Amino acid sequence: GQQVMQIPQYQHVQEGEDFTTYCNSSTTLSNIQWYKQRPGGHPVFLIQLVKSGEVKKQKRLTFQFGEAKKNSSLHITATQTTDVGTYFCAGRGGQGAQKLVFGQGTRLTINP
Amino acid sequence: EAGVAQSPRYKIIEKRQSVAFWCNPISGHATLYWYQQILGQGPKLLIQFQNNGVVDDSQLPKDRFSAERLKGVDSTLKIQPAKLEDSAVYLCASSLYPSAGAAYNEQFFGPGTRLTVL
Repeated sequence: GQQVMQIPQYQHVQEGEDFTTYCNSSTTLSNIQWYKQRPGGHPVFLIQLVKSGEVKKQKRLTFQFGEAKKNSSLHITATQTTDVGTYFCAGRGGQGAQKLVFGQGTRLTINP
Repeated sequence: EAGVAQSPRYKIIEKRQSVAFWCNPISGHATLYWYQQILGQGPKLLIQFQNNGVVDDSQLPKDRFSAERLKGVDSTLKIQPAKLEDSAVYLCASSLYPSAGAAYNEQFFGPGTRLTVL
């Protein structure tokens, strides 16, 4: 079945440094979503990417969807302590698949 | 607008006991999901409802887990009997019905129920 892998599993940075997490799917995706989960909280939707090669920005966050629609990345510029949490990608397979498959997440911690 | 409601927030039971979780989605959301999130992992879909019909339950351990959404609104997830490996956070989420021509909608998650099986 469809698998979604994320790397790295953990990332610790100094406040102000950049952060990137990568997501790879075993199959071509129809779309991919990104969620953020704060410690002790629940996943909160960040964005959805649909088109091949799509790039979207939200303030300091940049999201990319690969040309082959099998990988994606999230890049945070100049991290702040409010960015702490676990970032999940979640991919939906092609051919009308409705199930969203989550990666294992990248946990970001920040040294102020 | 009220979010997704779940209860209870915490539950501790012994193995072989039964437990039930309740979820009330955001008003107007036709799609409801139950996820299991084990510590350190991403959410795993257990079952997805479209109104009161099941869209996907391929990862639901049907010998012990059951779920229903009888009136197409709130839902219950039951585990009977529970095993140690069922210890996890059970998340309920909801989304609008995907409209024609639009990509699938974002999912809104509830606070979850943390289950500990001893």
